[in-house]
Amino acid sequence: AQSVTQLDSQVPVFEEAPVELRCNYSSSVSVYLFWYVQYPNQGLQLLLKYLSGSTLVKGINGFEAEFNKSQTSFHLRKPSVHISDTAEYFCAVSRTNTGNQFYFGTGTSLTVIP
Amino acid sequence: DGGITQSPKYLFRKEGQNVTLSCEQNLNHDAMYWYRQDPGQGLRLIYYSQIVNDFQKGDIAEGYSVSREKKESFPLTVTSAQKNPTAFYLCASRRETEAFFGQGTRLTVV
Repeated sequence: AQSVTQLDSQVPVFEEAPVELRCNYSSSVSVYLFWYVQYPNQGLQLLLKYLSGSTLVKGINGFEAEFNKSQTSFHLRKPSVHISDTAEYFCAVSRTNTGNQFYFGTGTSLTVIP
Repeated sequence: DGGITQSPKYLFRKEGQNVTLSCEQNLNHDAMYWYRQDPGQGLRLIYYSQIVNDFQKGDIAEGYSVSREKKESFPLTVTSAQKNPTAFYLCASRRETEAFFGQGTRLTVV
């Protein structure tokens, strides 16, 4: 079975400061990894994904994430946040063999303080 | 524009009534999903369908039902057997490795 742990439920950060949102996963098989963003009362939008190859993945809005297989982590980072980054962020995994289900973490609420 | 349309955006129902949430997609995706979102619990899978006329239960299927008569449509019925139906419901479809989400329906049972 797969599971995803987002270690921080809430992360406050000042505008223009760097941020890291942590994600760890467990799986007995190889997986694809994703970060999604959700604005209030809206659906989820894909930020970035890791399928294979380079462990550093760049996404939209200046976000990036690094896949660390030995630590089973996929932390999301941004060097300088903006007010508009205030949102809920979800880490997710999907198995590479059948790949039919996504397993989501419980989410991290990022609040950017002016 | 291609995408997933969920309707209505807000829905109020009396306790004990069945209610159906609509999900339509024009992306030509085979796989579709229904998730329930509650504060602090992330997204939990209710049902999914990989192809027309076929669907499987997810982790929290009790009190819900679905149908998949057309590729474009995957409606979710919240029955009176669902003990705590007030939540935000998200529909998604899948193309290869990526999931695409609708804007959600917020169901409130009073």
